[in-house]
Amino acid sequence: AQKVTQAQTEISVVEKEDVTLDCVYETRDTTYYLFWYKQPPSGELVFLIRRNSFDEQNEISGRYSWNFQKSTSSFNFTITASQVVDSAVYFCALSEASKAAGNKLTFGGGTRVLVKP
Amino acid sequence: NAGVMQNPRHLVRRRGQEARLRCSPMKGHSHVYWYRQLPEEGLKFMVYLQKENIIDESGMPKERFSAEFPKEGPSILRIQQVVRGDSAAYFCASSRTGDSFGTEAFFGQGTRLTVV
Repeated sequence: AQKVTQAQTEISVVEKEDVTLDCVYETRDTTYYLFWYKQPPSGELVFLIRRNSFDEQNEISGRYSWNFQKSTSSFNFTITASQVVDSAVYFCALSEASKAAGNKLTFGGGTRVLVKP
Repeated sequence: NAGVMQNPRHLVRRRGQEARLRCSPMKGHSHVYWYRQLPEEGLKFMVYLQKENIIDESGMPKERFSAEFPKEGPSILRIQQVVRGDSAAYFCASSRTGDSFGTEAFFGQGTRLTVV
């Protein structure tokens, strides 16, 4: 069975500080996908990134960066120079890469990020 | 190209009534997934459907909940005889194919069900 753990339930920072969100996953599959979603106070789910298990190259996109470490089953996410608009709940998720599973996602419990001005 | 459309956005039901949640997938998508988000929790998978077929319902409660995705029209998640514990946000996602290679699922804005 798959499992995603986000140990941090809430993080509070002051604007312009960096924030790193931890995500640890468990899966027996050798091929899988990892995701980060953002859920702002308005409630919708905003897709941020998808990585496949073959690609451990870390990525930077604007103020966002991701650190995928297959050896430790971690997929951490960093917001650099945080802004008030980054305040949201962030979810890490995992999917198998198989026809049987489709795009079924297993989500972590989420980390609430509060950025204070 | 419109995204995944869910309606209603907010639904209030009295205990014992039926709730019907609708999801219209993105154009060209024939795979639909329903998730439930209880207050202050993450999303939990409920059911995966393809047109006219239930592929995986391992996350569906055994009683009172059902889902369908007919050949024509939206996917429907039906909750009969609602109880207060059913109050949650219900999200629908759709994907073009049934595997995650090269594709991903897109989420609707959710339906927030409140049982009073």
